[in-house]
Amino acid sequence: DAGVTQSPTHLIKTRGQQVTLRCSPKSGHDTVSWYQQALGQGPQFIFQYYEEEERQRGNFPDRFSGHQFPNYSSELNVNALLLGDSALYLCASSTGLAASFSYNEQFFGPGTRLTVL
Amino acid sequence: GDSVTQMEGPVTLSEEAFLTINCTYTATGYPSLFWYVQYPGEGLQLLLKATKADDKGSNKGFEATYRKETTSFHLEKGSVQVSDSAVYFCALYGSSNTGKLIFGQGTTLQVKP
Repeated sequence: DAGVTQSPTHLIKTRGQQVTLRCSPKSGHDTVSWYQQALGQGPQFIFQYYEEEERQRGNFPDRFSGHQFPNYSSELNVNALLLGDSALYLCASSTGLAASFSYNEQFFGPGTRLTVL
Repeated sequence: GDSVTQMEGPVTLSEEAFLTINCTYTATGYPSLFWYVQYPGEGLQLLLKATKADDKGSNKGFEATYRKETTSFHLEKGSVQVSDSAVYFCALYGSSNTGKLIFGQGTTLQVKP
């Protein structure tokens, strides 16, 4: 059973460019969350997708957007890249919507390392 | 808002030494608490969890007890191994069920033979 997979593994972009990161959830999972982990810091929540809609969002600008497909896979898009966007981007999958009054364990992928020059 | 504070690292220990990594939190209500581990080049793995006060989470020799009176969830292991070298993150899932985990800044553990 494949776990959470992410692509690409590494990416180098220049300021002002746009980037798309991809995530395939663990089999049987229907909810995808994205986190940004800056060097030496803990992950910070970007947003969560369920039933192809953004359900929750953290404190990130509109330059960060996403999409979820009918097969539950997801994309994270970042426009007008800034140097400060350089980070490890983690995807996590789980089952069910967050508002179920119980924690559904989030399984993390290995991440995509984005470097903005 | 909710937050997690961990002791700063890196923590360097010799094999078989006792490990403590401190974690305190600020949250309204009754959050669930977690320890995640990140090995080099890998994603986060759930190490242990506790969902209510006085619960003790344990896994692979690691333990942590949910102390509401001190708002703490310290990670302990009696005898560390070289293979335990990794970054450890304390995290909480708030009772407001926003869907997000809130992480501490991480503590790097290096175990020397």
